[in-house]
Amino acid sequence: KAGVTQTPRYLIKTRGQQVTLSCSPISGHRSVSWYQQTPGQGLQFLFEYFSETQRNKGNFPGRFSGRQFSNSRSEMNVSTLELGDSALYLCASSLTGGSGELFFGEGSRLTVL
Amino acid sequence: AQRVTQPEKLLSVFKGAPVELKCNYSYSGSPELFWYVQYSRQRLQLLLRHISRESIKGFTADLNKGETSFHLKKPFAQEEDSAMYYCALPGAGSYQLTFGKGTKLSVIP
Repeated sequence: KAGVTQTPRYLIKTRGQQVTLSCSPISGHRSVSWYQQTPGQGLQFLFEYFSETQRNKGNFPGRFSGRQFSNSRSEMNVSTLELGDSALYLCASSLTGGSGELFFGEGSRLTVL
Repeated sequence: AQRVTQPEKLLSVFKGAPVELKCNYSYSGSPELFWYVQYSRQRLQLLLRHISRESIKGFTADLNKGETSFHLKKPFAQEEDSAMYYCALPGAGSYQLTFGKGTKLSVIP
């Protein structure tokens, strides 16, 4: 079956702009989580959604938001972009979340100039 | 607070030599621990989880609660083992994982 699909794969934005990233989970998976990966901080948890409800949020400012649709697809949005938001944003899906196995997408690489 | 420490950023070993990737953690209670791996140009994927007690691709990991460690071991390294390895455990909230910063394993032919 198809893996986790993230779009776009690469994007370049300037400071102050906003960006929306999309994630399509594996069919049947209802949990979608998002992680930010940077060389300095590694993988950091952003948020997790299950059946359109955010169940957990990491320690990120309110500029980072997300949502999940009824078909389990998820989007995350970053407003008022800062240089430090440059990162690889990874989406992962799993059947139910919790401590189950996470299936990761290839990521969306965001560069903020 | 939940924390995962992988002390080595880079580990280089010769093919056929034993490999040990270190992972230490701090966690309240009995954690479920994971090793994830990312091969070149591939997605991050689960390698093994301690609860299953499996050996995957020749790798094993034993949870040592006394030393709060979950080191990943393989007796004979292969070139195809070269990758980034991440240790992870459940985060502060539910439904999240806390990852270590990763160790890059390089197996020298």
